[in-house]
Amino acid sequence: QITLKESGPTLVKPTQTLTLTCTFSGFSLSTSVVGVGWIRQSPGKALEWLALISWNDNKRYSPSLKNRLNITKDTSKNQVVLTMTNMDPVDTATYYCAHSLRDAYVSWYFDLWGRGTLVTVSS
Amino acid sequence: SYELTQPPSVSVSPGQTARITCSGDALPMKYAYWYQQKSGQAPVLVIYEDTKRPSGIPERFSGSTSGTMATLTISGAQVEDEGDYYCYSTDSSNNQRVFGGGTKLTVL
Repeated sequence: QITLKESGPTLVKPTQTLTLTCTFSGFSLSTSVVGVGWIRQSPGKALEWLALISWNDNKRYSPSLKNRLNITKDTSKNQVVLTMTNMDPVDTATYYCAHSLRDAYVSWYFDLWGRGTLVTVSS
Repeated sequence: SYELTQPPSVSVSPGQTARITCSGDALPMKYAYWYQQKSGQAPVLVIYEDTKRPSGIPERFSGSTSGTMATLTISGAQVEDEGDYYCYSTDSSNNQRVFGGGTKLTVL
């Protein structure tokens, strides 16, 4: 059974760096064609994809946020860490991590999600 | 930037068929995925690779595509199907992973 859980601060100040950890079980990030992605959702808004890391350490970022994001994995700990720099109140959102698979078009999708963690950006 | 367009809302009576559309220029070349999100919960994958249904998803959920449009159909919608539905896909170059704006389904 695959499970994922997000952890990190619930409140950050503007200009600070946010660090979120996704701890998962039921799969290994050393397994071929498996990845973990991060998606966020501002209150009352749509889902927004942020970043993805695959089993071979290939990293992909949202073009609009790539300058602020960094995603890494620790296969031995079954964890994926996302950092986002220069946080702003508009970054207030629920942040989800999700197990990711690759389809025949070499596109990644998210089949199982964590419950999410709400991060508020405020001074 | 690449966009997927969904209607903001769809409303049906219980037992009717609900159809939610998603349009995007790359959909003829890329798969569409559909997620259901109930209030206060994480999204759940209900359709993958245009037409496939994950285990545990009721048979009343189905997906189809035609040209630049993907459609999620809920045959015999039930009150418990209420929630927000998001389509998801990628652009033709696999650089952007995009969710649609979401469709609020009301069954009453």
